[in-house]
Order: sequence, then structure tokens, then C-alpha cells
Amino acid sequence: DAGVIQSPRHEVTEMGQEVTLRCKPISGHNSLFWYRQTMMRGLELLIYFNNNVPIDDSGMPEDRFSAKMPNASFSTLKIQPSEPRDSAVYFCASSSRGAGGYEQYFGPGTRLTVT
Amino acid sequence: DQQVKQNSPSLSVQEGRISILNCDYTNSMFDYFLWYKKYPAEGPTFLISISSIKDKNEDGRFTVFLNKSAKHLSLHIVPSQPGDSAVYFCAASGLFGSARQLTFGSGTQLTVLP
Repeated sequence: DAGVIQSPRHEVTEMGQEVTLRCKPISGHNSLFWYRQTMMRGLELLIYFNNNVPIDDSGMPEDRFSAKMPNASFSTLKIQPSEPRDSAVYFCASSSRGAGGYEQYFGPGTRLTVT
Repeated sequence: DQQVKQNSPSLSVQEGRISILNCDYTNSMFDYFLWYKKYPAEGPTFLISISSIKDKNEDGRFTVFLNKSAKHLSLHIVPSQPGDSAVYFCAASGLFGSARQLTFGSGTQLTVLP
């Protein structure tokens, strides 16, 4: 079975450019989470969706960040305009609310570098 | 305000010996705890979990212990193997809103020396 798929794996862009990160959750999972990992702040939750609906976006750092989930198999995280301090690894994870479905399964991450 | 803390950023253990990784939490609403392992350039991988109604869960070489009164959990790996070298994250789960969220600790880098 395919796990969580993220693209691109690496992204290098210049300050001010728009960046779009993509995620395909595990089929059948109905919760999707976007995380950011930095040395300073560790793994921090940015936003999560339940049944394609954004539930909590309080972790989104600024209005420059936006996320969408147009259907159960696809989500995007967009940064516009990007800044050097956005450089981090961005992870997408999915989970099921079924019995014992508390575990989140992570994608391989997108390493973003903003110069 | 760190609700999940891993106070040891790194740990080195000899191959074959026991590795003990520790984690403390502050929020009594957490009712499920998980350990994740992360290799470089990969996403965190679920390792083992424990419900708050239990005090121990074992899976092969990995055992997680939960002390609710102390709000403390630990992961024991025995015997440790070089392939266990990775960053280990403790995570706590609670039902906040309509979905379960995970709150992660800052991680402990485990190095198993051959």
C-alpha cells in the first residue's frame, strides 16, 4: 500500500516567490495534518483537516500561509510570498478515526529552502 | 509552553545494552501516547503506542511504560542495535475539537555504538 505521498521532495526558491507543497494522504484516511519541522521549534502542527474541512489553523504562522483540501485525496500548502525564515521541512500526515486509529502516518517531507 | 518534553537531546548506548528514552507531559487531557522514530531525510515512522488505561505495552524489543501519576513515559529498547540509531519523538494525543491531534516532544537522538 502506498503511504502518504508528498511533492516535491526538495524545493529551492527565491524570496518573494510563491511555493506550493502537495500531499496525497493514505486512501481511506479522513484526517490530514500539515507540520513544519525546524531546529528551533521542532515539529509544529500548522493546520489539520477532518473530512476535507479545515478544523484548526491556529498553527499557521501568518496570512502568507494557506492550505486547501479540495477532495479526500489531495491537499496543498501554499506560501505566498515566501521568506527565508520559511525554510524548513514540511510534513504531511494522515490518520483514520477508526478504532485505534490514533496514529498519524507521515509522508517523507518537503525540504524547502528560500534564499 | 511545552506540553510534551524530552529533556535529553541525545543518548549514546553500546550495542546489545538497553536504551531508555524519557518523556514528560503536563496536560492531563492526553489519553494516548506514541513514540515515533525518524531517520534523516525521512518522515517520522510510528513505532509503538500506549493508552492511558495501561501502564505497559510491549512489541518485540520495544516496551513503553506509562506512569500517569508522574505524567511520565519511557521507551525501552533491548537489546539495542546500530539500526536503532535515529531521532525518537514522544507524542501525546488528546481529543481537541473533532479530530485527534498529536503534540510532539523535541526529540532525542539515539546513537547505538557497535
